[in-house]
Amino acid sequence: DAGVIQSPRHEVTEMGQEVTLRCKPISGHDYLFWYRQTMMRGLELLIYFNNNVPIDDSGMPEDRFSAKMPNASFSTLKIQPSEPRDSAVYFCASSGTGVNEQYFGPGTRLTVT
Amino acid sequence: LAKTTQPISMDSYEGQEVNITCSHNNIATNDYITWYQQFPSQGPRFIIQGYKTKVTNEVASLFIPADRKSSTLSLPRVSLSDTAVYYCLVGDETYNQGGKLIFGQGTELSVKP
Repeated sequence: DAGVIQSPRHEVTEMGQEVTLRCKPISGHDYLFWYRQTMMRGLELLIYFNNNVPIDDSGMPEDRFSAKMPNASFSTLKIQPSEPRDSAVYFCASSGTGVNEQYFGPGTRLTVT
Repeated sequence: LAKTTQPISMDSYEGQEVNITCSHNNIATNDYITWYQQFPSQGPRFIIQGYKTKVTNEVASLFIPADRKSSTLSLPRVSLSDTAVYYCLVGDETYNQGGKLIFGQGTELSVKP
């Protein structure tokens, strides 16, 4: 298995632009997670899905952030409009039946200027 | 959710055994203890998980005393490539109890030649 796949690996955009991050989970995994990592706040859970349905979005910072999972093999995290404080590394992870063993992708490094 | 406390940083030398202790005084009955490893510019990687006593795999050992208020991750004979941040997490394994991974600040392990 190729593991969790994320694209793009790096994204540089200007403030106010829309940003879309993509994730392909490991085949057969029912749970998908989006995390954000910064030096100041560490690794934060933004939202997670079970069988394509959002279960907990309490970590989504504000309405500018939205996430979708149209099918079992694809998810997007969208920021519109982007702001400099959104600069971070965004990770996608997936897991099977257990919470604690998650498989992380390589991350997308987002820079908003 | 149980809060964890672990050292911010540790130094070691190649070939030594490294023990990283994590405190989790308010761990709940259903909580498991999980450790992740994160290399620079990569997503976290699951290392080991346990509930009580001792767990060993090809990467590490996890020691959990009877009261479960702490745990120790043991890395045998570390090498330079073990330089990473190590996270201790405590949480319910089951999603239907609202379990989710909460990452703390982690322990930055530096292995020197």
